[in-house]
Amino acid sequence: SQKIEQNSEALNIQEGKTATLTCNYTNYSPAYLQWYRQDPGRGPVFLLLIRENEKEKRKERLKVTFDTTLKQSLFHITASQPADSATYLCALVSGSARQLTFGSGTQLTVLP
Amino acid sequence: DTAVSQTPKYLVTQMGNDKSIKCEQNLGHDTMYWYKQDSKKFLKIMFSYNNKELIINETVPNRFSPKSPDKAHLNLHINSLELGDSAVYFCASSQFLGTGLTKYSYEQYFGPGTRLTVT
Repeated sequence: SQKIEQNSEALNIQEGKTATLTCNYTNYSPAYLQWYRQDPGRGPVFLLLIRENEKEKRKERLKVTFDTTLKQSLFHITASQPADSATYLCALVSGSARQLTFGSGTQLTVLP
Repeated sequence: DTAVSQTPKYLVTQMGNDKSIKCEQNLGHDTMYWYKQDSKKFLKIMFSYNNKELIINETVPNRFSPKSPDKAHLNLHINSLELGDSAVYFCASSQFLGTGLTKYSYEQYFGPGTRLTVT
């Protein structure tokens, strides 16, 4: 069966360090993968998209990698700040589907 | 300006009642969605409408009925509410690109959510 797993439910890191979140999938052939941020009591907000033929994408302090051989995406936040504390969701779109399928999210807490 | 809005933000009701949640987007997108987020924060697609046509209808009880009067609105009506319907419901919108079977969309824009509590 198809599955999307994010490495851990919760991740705590110290301010200034790099946070690395993992998204693994099985039985998908994603056309592209997206990362969203969700704050408590709010809807998810789009951050980055990476296509199947791209290895890496950057936006300011954010970096996403996509390894279709390992079936994994890594999401990095460099020089993390307490304001980066939120739940981060990965989402896949497979070639034949026209919908996003979300992982269960990782709650990141950046400690001052 | 609010891009995707939902009303109400909170909805508390008793089992067996019928309720509706409204969603509006002012982004000019042609596709709208309803998601359910359960207590474990898992976000699951329920329905999707593209140009007022239903294109995604996941395994959802037929007590849930979406209605899209126009491209900018997608409402969700729920009949005979049950305890298990308690969750946060999110509306979202996106713009599909391409044509025919190669249509795809990029980012989705989500509303603030409606927290439904059934007692």
